[in-house]
Amino acid sequence: AQTVTQSQPEMSVQEAETVTLSCTYDTSESNYYLFWYKQPPSRQMILVIRQEAYKQQNATENRFSVNFQKAAKSFSLKISDSQLGDTAMYFCAFPSRDAGNMLTFGGGTRLMVKP
Amino acid sequence: NAGVTQTPKFQVLKTGQSMTLQCAQDMNHEYMSWYRQDPGMGLRLIHYSVGAGITDQGEVPNGYNVSRSTTEDFPLRLLSAAPSQTSVYFCASSPRGTGYSPLHFGNGTRLTVT
Repeated sequence: AQTVTQSQPEMSVQEAETVTLSCTYDTSESNYYLFWYKQPPSRQMILVIRQEAYKQQNATENRFSVNFQKAAKSFSLKISDSQLGDTAMYFCAFPSRDAGNMLTFGGGTRLMVKP
Repeated sequence: NAGVTQTPKFQVLKTGQSMTLQCAQDMNHEYMSWYRQDPGMGLRLIHYSVGAGITDQGEVPNGYNVSRSTTEDFPLRLLSAAPSQTSVYFCASSPRGTGYSPLHFGNGTRLTVT
């Protein structure tokens, strides 16, 4: 079975600092996408960033970037210049061949940004 | 565009009752899916559909039924509610499989079974 693991259930960071959220996954596929979603207290699921596995360059979206290490099956999310609005649950997700290529999610990391 | 619309937002059921969670999307997406979210477990796939008339089971399908008679609608039916089905339910859609495109989520339904 293909799995996604987030080993940090909770993290905190001071406003304006940088934080990195970890994610590892297991797959035998060679070409795929990886996603990070954010869920603020409003419960809405928001796409943060997407990485294509065949691209060696790490994806970047404004203050959000990933460190993608394909051989290690690692996909971490770096948030720079953290803002109070970044307080949320963050989920790493990966399309699972076992489920029709629908997304399989990690257990989530609860991030608290402190003023 | 409304995107993905889920109703109701909140629901309380008694054990043994049945109900249908509604999901509609106006983006003409072929793929639709239902997830449940429980603390510490992320989102788990219940059922999904790759087009009208086609459905398949996900990771946790027991106790739930789905149908896809139109591209727009993908209702989730709880046949006989149990306390273990207390959860937040999300409907999602995408134009293609999520191997290629991200999911668009509804705002969720919080279900409590007493």
